[in-house]
Amino acid sequence: ETGVTQTPRHLVMGMTNKKSLKCEQHLGHNAMYWYKQSAKKPLELMFVYNFKEQTENNSVPSRFSPECPNSSHLFLHLHTLQPEDSALYLCASSRRDPPAKNIQYFGAGTRLSVL
Amino acid sequence: QKEVEQDPGPLSVPEGAIVSLNCTYSNSAFQYFMWYRQYSRKGPELLMYTYSSGNKEDGRFTAQVDKSSKYISLFIRDSQPSDSATYLCAMNSGNTPLVFGKGTRLSVIA
Repeated sequence: ETGVTQTPRHLVMGMTNKKSLKCEQHLGHNAMYWYKQSAKKPLELMFVYNFKEQTENNSVPSRFSPECPNSSHLFLHLHTLQPEDSALYLCASSRRDPPAKNIQYFGAGTRLSVL
Repeated sequence: QKEVEQDPGPLSVPEGAIVSLNCTYSNSAFQYFMWYRQYSRKGPELLMYTYSSGNKEDGRFTAQVDKSSKYISLFIRDSQPSDSATYLCAMNSGNTPLVFGKGTRLSVIA
């Protein structure tokens, strides 16, 4: 186990549904990240939170809404998604300051399928 | 030109072979270079971490960085079936987001 837990592991949703992805880290880190991993594409950074404050929003559509209530928990709220949003969504955590922030610990991901 | 280029493979080698995985990059400001390993149905895990140019060795794994050529490599000696995974290179200039390659899928055949 990496110390970063993501739930659910698999999610199938219709385009009109609303669902949430959850991430929890037990490593004492203070930075958390959401990434999107699609086939044949590099990992795409979506959001970064440092000490619960969002510091990076990588031009992500508003149908993805992150929430970070504390340094250990991160959510990704989903609504009115498109089929092209089907992908593996990875959560990661790290210490906040460079260069330690480069050492990111990933969860196993949520495999999302949008029908 | 993409910031980081990585051949996605797949790469298939016999057990015991030496494996060479590579990435090229375009941003000369990159100083930190990482290799992550991702097994099927798992998230990436950090395998090697290097700063600036040079070599770093950890067991059967050696990471090389050539900043003059903007080229990084990961060598796996005496490859094992358990090394079968996707290997992702990642890099940044320090206080910027990590930029990842597409990953190379490796299969080591017993």
